Amino acid sequence: DAMVIQNPRYQVTQFGKPVTLSCSQTLNHNVMYWYQQKSSQAPKLLFHYYDKDFNNEADTPDNFQSRRPNTSFCFLDIRSPGLGDAAMYLCATSRDLTGAGEQYFGPGTRLTVT
Amino acid sequence: GESVGLHLPTLSVQEGDNSIINCAYSNSASDYFIWYKQESGKGPQFIIDIRSNMDKRQGQRVTVLLNKTVKHLSLQIAATQPGDSAVYFCAEREGSNQGGKLIFGQGTELSVKP
Repeated sequence: DAMVIQNPRYQVTQFGKPVTLSCSQTLNHNVMYWYQQKSSQAPKLLFHYYDKDFNNEADTPDNFQSRRPNTSFCFLDIRSPGLGDAAMYLCATSRDLTGAGEQYFGPGTRLTVT
Repeated sequence: GESVGLHLPTLSVQEGDNSIINCAYSNSASDYFIWYKQESGKGPQFIIDIRSNMDKRQGQRVTVLLNKTVKHLSLQIAATQPGDSAVYFCAEREGSNQGGKLIFGQGTELSVKP
């Protein structure tokens, strides 16, 4: 009964080779988030979509982009992965930005850059 | 800038004992706080939340305490079990005028000894 699904769970890409991670949700939530989490660190928000409105964090590198073609799906595109981009990438959803604040997380995609 | 931090990066407890995990936050405008549990290789899992107009909330075996005077949040786990072993993150939500995003603390690794 997974509510936030991420594919693939493990992704290996080469240095500089574009890669796309995907996330889907069955909760019909308005907001979808992408976080980067490096080993032994807290999740760091990259950006989020409120419906179709994209909100980028100020310190998110231009190398990271996102698409949300519909309510259910959201993609993270890394245009030219560097070794420093190896991390766990977490997708999360929430019904809204205010009110109920709980975010539901997917299992994550672990990205390795060779 | 605003930050959320944990006092103890690691905590080791005996099975059956109570655990207390602490968190300090610095943004007095934050209106909502969440505790997440993250097991190895998985996404964060919601444990319990509390709004800024409350000072205590109880769940099943867990209690969250909020002290706004000193900007301190704690998670108490009663009768800690081996399955509680994980990294615990506190997160604060900035006020609605900041877009409502969550900021995660550093994380505390809880280890339960049988």
